[in-house]
Amino acid sequence: DTEVTQTPKHLVMGMTNKKSLKCEQHMGHRAMYWYKQKAKKPPELMFVYSYEKLSINESVPSRFSPECPNSSLLNLHLHALQPEDSALYLCASSQAPDRGRSPLHFGNGTRLTVT
Amino acid sequence: DAKTTQPTSMDCAEGRAANLPCNHSTISGNEYVYWYRQIHSQGPQYIIHGLKNNETNEMASLIITEDRKSSTLILPHATLRDTAVYYCIVRVLGDYGGATNKLIFGTGTLLAVQP
Repeated sequence: DTEVTQTPKHLVMGMTNKKSLKCEQHMGHRAMYWYKQKAKKPPELMFVYSYEKLSINESVPSRFSPECPNSSLLNLHLHALQPEDSALYLCASSQAPDRGRSPLHFGNGTRLTVT
Repeated sequence: DAKTTQPTSMDCAEGRAANLPCNHSTISGNEYVYWYRQIHSQGPQYIIHGLKNNETNEMASLIITEDRKSSTLILPHATLRDTAVYYCIVRVLGDYGGATNKLIFGTGTLLAVQP
């Protein structure tokens, strides 16, 4: 079981669809993260939110649009994706500020397939 | 960003201690070493972290060398359920508020616990 909940667990979408991934945590964490993980590769950081403000965008294409509507929720809006965007999308949260002392807590991810 | 080097894979007999090494020779003085593991199709699971001193919790022990250039994760009595990819990560620090802290994954070690 994880304290970070991601929905849906699986998603299949066409290249012209618009969909959203959702992430929720109730640990009072003020930093939230999106990672992307391709098969047999380590997770890659996409976005970091701190106090509901976007603080890091790791040069992610604009077809991925993050949103943090409140301190417990993180969304990733998807539009006009490519088949190569198929991956496991992981959400994480941590305390902030922490100077690197507090661990990230990860959800179990959304398995996305773009057809 | 500080980089880590880990063996690609290791085997361990069930019930024996698993010792997973990691090199992080470019680590800065205020950067923490984190260990995570990922079991197939799940999100990364936090194991332990440390700065200078050795650390122990219910899952594992972390031994950090005096010069901080390497560390070893010890699973005292490995079980089949410990089979996973183990990631050694140096937490890249940003501003004091933690808005730009990053957790950058390396390639990890696939630990296979054998019966």
